[in-house]
Order: sequence, then structure tokens, then C-alpha cells
Amino acid sequence: SQQGEEDPQALSIQEGENATMNCSYKTSINNLQWYRQNSGRGLVHLILIRSNEREKHSGRLRVTLDTSKKSSSLLITASRAADTASYFCATGSILTGGGNKLTFGTGTQLKVEL
Amino acid sequence: SQTIHQWPATLVQPVGSPLSLECTVEGTSNPNLYWYRQAAGRGLQLLFYSVGIGQISSEVPQNLSASRPQDRQFILSSKKLLLSDSGFYLCAWSPKGLGTEAFFGQGTRLTVV
Repeated sequence: SQQGEEDPQALSIQEGENATMNCSYKTSINNLQWYRQNSGRGLVHLILIRSNEREKHSGRLRVTLDTSKKSSSLLITASRAADTASYFCATGSILTGGGNKLTFGTGTQLKVEL
Repeated sequence: SQTIHQWPATLVQPVGSPLSLECTVEGTSNPNLYWYRQAAGRGLQLLFYSVGIGQISSEVPQNLSASRPQDRQFILSSKKLLLSDSGFYLCAWSPKGLGTEAFFGQGTRLTVV
């Protein structure tokens, strides 16, 4: 079953603008991760934020996490055409035997136009 | 460095035929392994995961099965494909430990006709 729901489902912006995507989830988590998927390809990990963290940065990416509201946001600053892709949040819970079970949301399709 | 290989990239199979998709990981040992399915324009659905050789957990009842005959090999199978098995199948691995990221293969586009 889907754990996270991204909002919006689709987003179209101009190059140079910022893109904000939101994710809501339902159950307690150990961590939340964001992934990027180019059309027809595998997913690439972008950033991980743990349940005891509130904000994290990586290059042009900024992620926030509000565990009281069970929500997260991904901000991409100064977007580029190459950022065009689908973005997914994934909540991590502990697997028996060690490791992370990831449950993905439905994704946001971002289109950055020149 | 670690790499993950998944093949084939595309597959067209008739209804009722068997299926075998293979995934192998290099450069690490004792990984957690996962099979996901992605329907067109949708998110990923976890099908199976494995924390060790011969240990398979199924997330959803379905027409598919998984096996892990070796530490770094994960196989997705079906005895008889259904039309509803069409989709994009992704294999992934993650290290043991809390809060780890997953590394994905390039996926297999399966079309059942």
C-alpha cells in the first residue's frame, strides 16, 4: 500500500524558479527519503532525513520534516531543465533482520521549461 | 564501488507464459534486496524483500514469487503471466542498518500480451 502522498501530482515551472513538493504519510517512521526518477529509468536517491531531524540541505535541495503533521517538503532552488523528472518520497521503517523497508508515495512530476 | 544489474531491460511475453527476471549486486555483501513494481504514472509498490539467502517476505498476494539463491542474486518469477502483471519492475538493494538508502537497477519493462 502507498504510505506517502505527494502534492502536487504535477508541477510546471520556468528555469530559475524554485520548485516545492510536499509529502504526507500515515504511520510512524524512522526516516524519510526523497528519490528522483527520469522517465523509464531507475530511481536515484537524493536525500535522507531522520525522524529526529527537522531540516536538511544538500546542494540546491532543502528538505523539511514535521513528524507532528506527518509531512515533509522538498525544495529545489534555482531549477534547471535537467531537473525535469518525477520525484518520490519514501518512508523508512525498520526491517526485521536489519535495514530499511521503504514505502513510496505516488510522486510529483516536475517539468522545468526553458 | 557497488553496482546493481537488472535484466532484461524490456520483455514482451504472452499470457500464460513463465517469467524470470534476474537482479545481481556487486561490490557489497549481505545486502537487503527488494523487488518493486511501478504501474504507468504511479508510485512504486513493494512486492518482495529479502534480508538474507533463502529469506523472502511478500508484501502483497499476487501471481509472482521471488527467490534468493545466492547472497547477491534476487530473482522474480511467475509460472503463468497474467495481463495485470504488465508494468515496470525495479530491483533495489540497501545496506543493513537503520536509515539506509536504496540503490535501484534500471528496471525491466514487462508487457504481457
